[in-house]
This record gives sequence, C-alpha cells and structure tokens, in this order.
Amino acid sequence: DAKTTQPPSMDCAEGRAANLPCNHSTISGNEYVYWYRQIHSQGPQYIIHGLKNNETNEMASLIITEDRKSSTLILPHATLRDTAVYYCIVRVAFSNYQLIWGAGTKLIIKP
Amino acid sequence: KAGVTQTPRYLIKTRGQQVTLSCSPISGHRSVSWYQQTPGQGLQFLFEYFSETQRNKGNFPGRFSGRQFSNSRSEMNVSTLELGDSALYLCASSMTGTSVRNEQFFGPGTRLTVL
Repeated sequence: DAKTTQPPSMDCAEGRAANLPCNHSTISGNEYVYWYRQIHSQGPQYIIHGLKNNETNEMASLIITEDRKSSTLILPHATLRDTAVYYCIVRVAFSNYQLIWGAGTKLIIKP
Repeated sequence: KAGVTQTPRYLIKTRGQQVTLSCSPISGHRSVSWYQQTPGQGLQFLFEYFSETQRNKGNFPGRFSGRQFSNSRSEMNVSTLELGDSALYLCASSMTGTSVRNEQFFGPGTRLTVL
C-alpha cells in the first residue's frame, strides 16, 4: 500500500503558485520524499526529491515539515502545461525497493 | 540523448493469446522496471531487471514474465491474456536503481487492449 495521502484533485489559476500537499505520517528516518507527475497519456516524469531540507530545482520547490510527516510541492508560476496527475512517494534511499505509487492529485490549471 | 522507447505503442489482442512488449532504456542505464497502469489500480510495479537479472518482483501472477538482454534492452511477456490485462504498460530506466535520486525515466508506454 502507498505510504502517502494526497487530495484527489485541485484547481489553480494560470500564473499563480500551485501548492500540492502530501501526508506521509509514517515516514521512516531513511526514507526520501519523491514527486513525479504524469501528463495525460505520457509516462511519469521525475520532478524533485528531498530528505528533510527544503529543495528547489528548475521545475519546482519541495517544502518538508520539520517532523517530516508532510510536505508540499510548489509550482511557482503554473501554466496550462502543468495540468497533470502529481504523485508523492516515499522510498528508502540506497535500496532496491521500488516506488509504490498512490492515486496522486489531479491538478487542473485554469486560464 | 535518446529517451526510453517502447514498442509497440498500441496493441490489440484477444483472450488466451500471448504478447511481448519491448523496452529500450536510455544509453548507459542498467536498470529497467516495468509497471502496469489501469484506471482502477493505478501504477503497479511488475518487476525490475538489472544486469540481465530480475532483482525485484511485484505481486503479479506467473503469466507475467520478463527478461533483460546484455545491451540492457528488456522485454516483458504476458501469456494467456485475460480481459483484465488491458492496461498501459510502462517501462522505466535508471542508472542503477539504487541511487538516492533514483530518477526513473519513463517511456511513453504500450497501450494493450484485450478483447
């Protein structure tokens, strides 16, 4: 079973920041948080990952709470092309354990 | 750098038949994973191959099998197809599968329809 909980859907206005929450209350100390997204009819795409510090890359920012029980993915200036299903996943680093995918959040960017 | 390629992109089979799907990973990637995606079950892990050996396996019946060749290309086979096998089959490759980043690069998938 997936170890994360996400809202099934969210809306965001184009040009605004999209904030996608994820609950992972049972996360272990050696588990990382990964975010992927899947645009309709395409394979999932890696976005970002983190352990306990906030992370930022060219696509998004990841904010992890101090107790690590939840995180938020931030798309700073959402565009229509960001409409996709976003998956939050936890995984032990340096292991062969595969990613276990939940249902994700369907993010719809509106003009 | 070429991405992950999967062939064929679309396939229609009938119950009882068998099917073979192919995946070519990104050059230099040695880990190939297969996933099944259906509207009801979401993305489910089938198996992972690394250096021609199956390293991980999900909870699927023995009708689902795979292999990896010395050039890291991988095939998966489904025998005695059932209606419930209709799904998008995704292949993902990564360098080793055990790095912290574990960035898996996904192919576009093969859409299998079983009639």
